[in-house]
Amino acid sequence: GAVVSQHPSWVICKSGTSVKIECRSLDFQATTMFWYRQFPKQSLMLMATSNEGSKATYEQGVEKDKFLINHASLTLSTLTVTSAHPEDSSFYICSASQRIRAEAFFGQGTRLTVV
Amino acid sequence: AQKITQTQPGMFVQEKEAVTLDCTYDTSDQSYGLFWYKQPSSGEMIFLIYQGSYDEQNATEGRYSLNFQKARKSANLVISASQLGDSAMYFCAMTDKLIFGTGTRLQVFP
Repeated sequence: GAVVSQHPSWVICKSGTSVKIECRSLDFQATTMFWYRQFPKQSLMLMATSNEGSKATYEQGVEKDKFLINHASLTLSTLTVTSAHPEDSSFYICSASQRIRAEAFFGQGTRLTVV
Repeated sequence: AQKITQTQPGMFVQEKEAVTLDCTYDTSDQSYGLFWYKQPSSGEMIFLIYQGSYDEQNATEGRYSLNFQKARKSANLVISASQLGDSAMYFCAMTDKLIFGTGTRLQVFP
């Protein structure tokens, strides 16, 4: 299958700082990327859907000013957690798809710990 | 709105036996896709199988098959000849927004 690379794999940051997570499709053009958050022993919660060149569509309850998503090219989307707090600590994972209703390929995930 | 339901929090199966993981969905869309992913303890999401809503035949991928019953809105995953390495979380998902069910933890014992 296609490869999606997500960096960093894990990050520890101080409360109040911002953290950027990158999601890259290495061998295909991703018109759509999804960002998820996963708490321990729980399912993936969809945070937002981003389409290349347009603003991300956020799910209800997700603060768009806190979780900034940029999908500037067909191979790169970024999630920036602004002014991070300990409650933002979680596993964040992205997926990328070539077209709607097509298989989505996942990055390795990023474990964020805010101290 | 779309919704995915997985009612089995955990399942046990003996090695070499078959197991069925349940998934039901709800959508008003006529065209949609259904997926199953596996998530081992490492956290990565591994694609297993896909079924399109207009596909007349059930999807199969090696030991994985999808029992698609459109009228009942169910898309159960069947794993044949279970292996110890199949122990993991299994998630059902659907498009257009790729939303996930709550998952089923499968444990395969010798």
